[in-house]
Amino acid sequence: LAKTTQPISMDSYEGQEVNITCSHNNIATNDYITWYQQFPSQGPRFIIQGYKTKVTNEVASLFIPADRKSSTLSLPRVSLSDTAVYYCLVGTINDYKLSFGAGTTVTVRA
Amino acid sequence: EPEVTQTPSHQVTQMGQEVILRCVPISNHLYFYWYRQILGQKVEFLVSFYNNEISEKSEIFDDQFSVERPDGSNFTLKIRSTKLEDSAMYFCASSEDGGRYGYTFGSGTRLTVV
Repeated sequence: LAKTTQPISMDSYEGQEVNITCSHNNIATNDYITWYQQFPSQGPRFIIQGYKTKVTNEVASLFIPADRKSSTLSLPRVSLSDTAVYYCLVGTINDYKLSFGAGTTVTVRA
Repeated sequence: EPEVTQTPSHQVTQMGQEVILRCVPISNHLYFYWYRQILGQKVEFLVSFYNNEISEKSEIFDDQFSVERPDGSNFTLKIRSTKLEDSAMYFCASSEDGGRYGYTFGSGTRLTVV
């Protein structure tokens, strides 16, 4: 499994855009990039998944450069309820397991 | 939105006792998983289950643990002879087609071994 590196924490204010960059230098050809969100005492929640370029859904955007050695999760106009831990995971679609790191704790302040 | 349901939400048990954690995955999902998270630590993979058999298990998932899909809807994790270090949040997850559309996790069972 490709190793991922992401910041330990980030602070933001309501209404701002939050961008979390994840490094995955050893990403393999068949690997996808997936982001999960976790609130305290709750299970992780799937946010977005991509292979290359840009993916957007109603919650976030995922930017993946051509070399795929990093990716950036973009959360537009965050609110207090977006305070959570965000995990970047790299692996194949058919992986039977997810390997979570420490994630990035995002704190949104009023 | 479909949910993965876990019961109980909290379980307190004495060391050495057996516990069964229950999960109802999303109805059309075919892949089932258990993860755990010790307080303040990472989410750790325990086991995956597909087509009525274990697909993969971690080193944590030793003979103390077992999983079962006793009927068409439930998926259980049994922990025999619990130890203090088994205290953790246990999350059940399911997916439709491996990881293609992401996994859906339940809200977890907080297991406290005393």
